[in-house]
Amino acid sequence: EAEVAQSPRYKITEKSQAVAFWCDPISGHATLYWYRQILGQGPELLVQFQDESVVDDSQLPKDRFSAERLKGVDSTLKIQPAELGDSAMYLCASSATAGAGGETQYFGPGTRLLVL
Amino acid sequence: QQPVQSPQAVILREGEDAVINCSSSKALYSVHWYRQKHGEAPIFLMILLKGGEQKGHDKISASFNEKKQQSSLYLTASQLSYSGTYFCGTEALSGNTPLVFGKGTRLSVIA
Repeated sequence: EAEVAQSPRYKITEKSQAVAFWCDPISGHATLYWYRQILGQGPELLVQFQDESVVDDSQLPKDRFSAERLKGVDSTLKIQPAELGDSAMYLCASSATAGAGGETQYFGPGTRLLVL
Repeated sequence: QQPVQSPQAVILREGEDAVINCSSSKALYSVHWYRQKHGEAPIFLMILLKGGEQKGHDKISASFNEKKQQSSLYLTASQLSYSGTYFCGTEALSGNTPLVFGKGTRLSVIA
């Protein structure tokens, strides 16, 4: 069964350092999402891509976070510089299409980030 | 706007039933249900679309009351494997809006 791949699974960094997360969506899925999940909370959308274009990045802290999906396939999320409050699980999800609503999003295993 | 889930937590013995509710103040297009075990990815359970419907597979089913903007997830004859945190995600009817998740309901099934 096709899955969303993410790496690394765990990352420990010191504040002010740069970190990057990678996501490979299910093959053929046009839409890719990055979520942040704080312990005890539901996932919160950071950015949504449709192919290589950003559809929604209204909740992305653009002063320190950036995301790209250059060829419309895999994606990278970067934080620079990392802050203590960035400690969370970063989840990537993909869906076949977007826009019509009601699309199933399939989540990857996530990257757990700890900022010291 | 974030949907409200209730209860926040519930403990069941194997074989007991549970209901988890998800309410929104906005008119909804769809409700998505996921289960997440600690440290793992959310696993998709089902989607319900506007028009009011019910879905189910095995002993897990859900309903969507469009008039009340409320969905309920029903777990019957619970098994140990049902333990985890259940999240509902909602898509608003207006515009191309993202999926917004509730805070989750922690379900613990004990022997």
